[in-house]
Amino acid sequence: EVQLLESGGGLVQPGGSLRLSCAASGFSFSNSAVSWVRQAPGKGLEWVSSISGSGGSIYYADSVKGRFTISRDNSKNTLYLQMNSLSAEDTAVYYCAKPLSSDWYVAGYWGQGTLVTVSS
Amino acid sequence: DIQMTQSPSSLSASVGDRVTITCRASQSITNYLNWFQQKPGKAPELLIYAASSLQSGVPSRFSGSGSGTDFTLTISSLQPEDFATYYCQQGYSTPPTFGGGTKVDIK
Repeated sequence: EVQLLESGGGLVQPGGSLRLSCAASGFSFSNSAVSWVRQAPGKGLEWVSSISGSGGSIYYADSVKGRFTISRDNSKNTLYLQMNSLSAEDTAVYYCAKPLSSDWYVAGYWGQGTLVTVSS
Repeated sequence: DIQMTQSPSSLSASVGDRVTITCRASQSITNYLNWFQQKPGKAPELLIYAASSLQSGVPSRFSGSGSGTDFTLTISSLQPEDFATYYCQQGYSTPPTFGGGTKVDIK
């Protein structure tokens, strides 16, 4: 069974940093792209970042480019999102998502999410 | 970026009703269209991928159709557990983008 478990969310001041983690199990992690998707309170879904199984291909939404860094440790089956220069607009639940198959953009599996609140 | 427009943004329906939600892309996305269901406080769940393929375990009352720019999600007979928010999402080009959502609640 595919399982994705996010952690690392919390309250951070504007301009601060936070690192999210997503522990994966139940599939061959190193052979799968994974992504971060976020949802601001009461709002819709926004794709944030994706990374290939090897880590050699990476995508960022324009809204986070230059501030967020996605990475993975295949030896630990863990995905990361380093978030810097945070602003109130980054307040959201952040979900880790895995594709259904080889198509990166069919998110067949989701974690439960971790809430990031940016506020002074 | 490709814009995804859903309509309606909300609807009220009764158990047993047939419900149709539409999604329009700002340019052709062939059949790279997915549908998700989200209940309050929960992660989204994939219902339909590639416009019309039913995800494993999803009841057959859910169906998807369309290609190019216009797509439809249909629930043939609404059940109590179907009251939720539904999102379409295009996977044709980067960045993948979502529609604004359609909230289905009880009439």
